[in-house]
Amino acid sequence: KQEVTQIPAALSVPEGENLVLNCSFTDSAIYNLQWFRQDPGKGLTSLLLIQSSQREQTSGRLNASLDKSSGRSTLYIAASQPGDSATYLCAVSYDKVIFGPGTSLSVIP
Amino acid sequence: EAGVVQSPRYKIIEKKQPVAFWCNPISGHNTLYWYLQNLGQGPELLIRYENEEAVDDSQLPKDRFSAERLKGVDSTLKIQPAELGDSAVYLCASSLQGGTQYFGPGTRLLVL
Repeated sequence: KQEVTQIPAALSVPEGENLVLNCSFTDSAIYNLQWFRQDPGKGLTSLLLIQSSQREQTSGRLNASLDKSSGRSTLYIAASQPGDSATYLCAVSYDKVIFGPGTSLSVIP
Repeated sequence: EAGVVQSPRYKIIEKKQPVAFWCNPISGHNTLYWYLQNLGQGPELLIRYENEEAVDDSQLPKDRFSAERLKGVDSTLKIQPAELGDSAVYLCASSLQGGTQYFGPGTRLLVL
């Protein structure tokens, strides 16, 4: 069965810290993996898309990596800011799209 | 460039009533997705369209839910009759050839 998990469910860090969010998937035959952020009461905003053939993608302070063999992706956020507070979700694309439950991030000023 | 548009943003109905949601994807995007999101959970895919064709509707409760995407552009998701457990946020997303998905703001449904 194809499943996507994210640990931890919630994370609180002081401003300025670097942090890593984790996404695990059970089936390595993916097409791509996408990271999103979701602010309360809002839709999802795309952060990074990693194709199956890629190992990582970077955008500003964000870096996402993909290791299909171990079924893992990480989202690295450098120098966290209070504005980074949101829920972060990963979505794995097979012949269907499966989302993880998300990690709720709080960055404390 | 306009993003994904959804309407209405909010809907309150009584159980057993019908309800419909509308989505206009980003211009040129051939793939359209409908998701359901319950509080504190990730979105769950209901149906995915490639142009006019529903290529994945395995998670759509077909006894009460239906969807259509006429002319491969706008899409409508309908629930008839609605049940209390259908209260959730209904999200629409679009992408080009299955690439980066762009989401609309969602429709928040409350069934009383």
